[in-house]
Amino acid sequence: SQQGEEDPQALSIQEGENATMNCSYKTSINNLQWYRQNSGRGLVHLILIRSNEREKHSGRLRVTLDTSKKSSSLLITASRAADTASYFCATDKQGGSYIPTFGRGTSLIVHP
Amino acid sequence: KAGVTQTPRYLIKTRGQQVTLSCSPISGHRSVSWYQQTPGQGLQFLFEYFSETQRNKGNFPGRFSGRQFSNSRSEMNVSTLELGDSALYLCASSLPTGQETQYFGPGTRLLVL
Repeated sequence: SQQGEEDPQALSIQEGENATMNCSYKTSINNLQWYRQNSGRGLVHLILIRSNEREKHSGRLRVTLDTSKKSSSLLITASRAADTASYFCATDKQGGSYIPTFGRGTSLIVHP
Repeated sequence: KAGVTQTPRYLIKTRGQQVTLSCSPISGHRSVSWYQQTPGQGLQFLFEYFSETQRNKGNFPGRFSGRQFSNSRSEMNVSTLELGDSALYLCASSLPTGQETQYFGPGTRLLVL
């Protein structure tokens, strides 16, 4: 089964609104990363948050990590039509071989 | 720096054939990982190569194999293709530690008929 699971599976919003997607995982981790994938293309790295960090910002992106709840959230503020994509979280198990495990992703559609 | 490149971008094969996909990592990156992405199973880790050695392996049958050359370029091979092997195959490279940010190529879309 997937180590990370994103929620919701799909999200549809209007341009200018904020988009929040969540990721839950099962085991203790070293890092959690968020990636974006435009339709049928490769993944683009967005942000990495380490297990000892609680919040990180990058431009319009804000990521939080709650290791006690084994969950993370990605907030995209003031969304744009160009943000339309699938978003994945990837985790690697603490103490194990580095094998990043991806969730199934959240499909975000931003309507202009 | 040039990004990760993958060739070919699209491929059509028939059941029973074999296929070889190629990946050129970002200059200076020595870790190359391969993933299979399908609508049903999502993104699944195949294997990772570092300094010409397979360092990690996912849960795929032995029909899936790979190798890495001294210039860090990598190839993956799938023998005796099955319909279920139709997928987007993604390659990702990372710095020597191989444990942080991965940079993905555009993928090779394989269709098995």
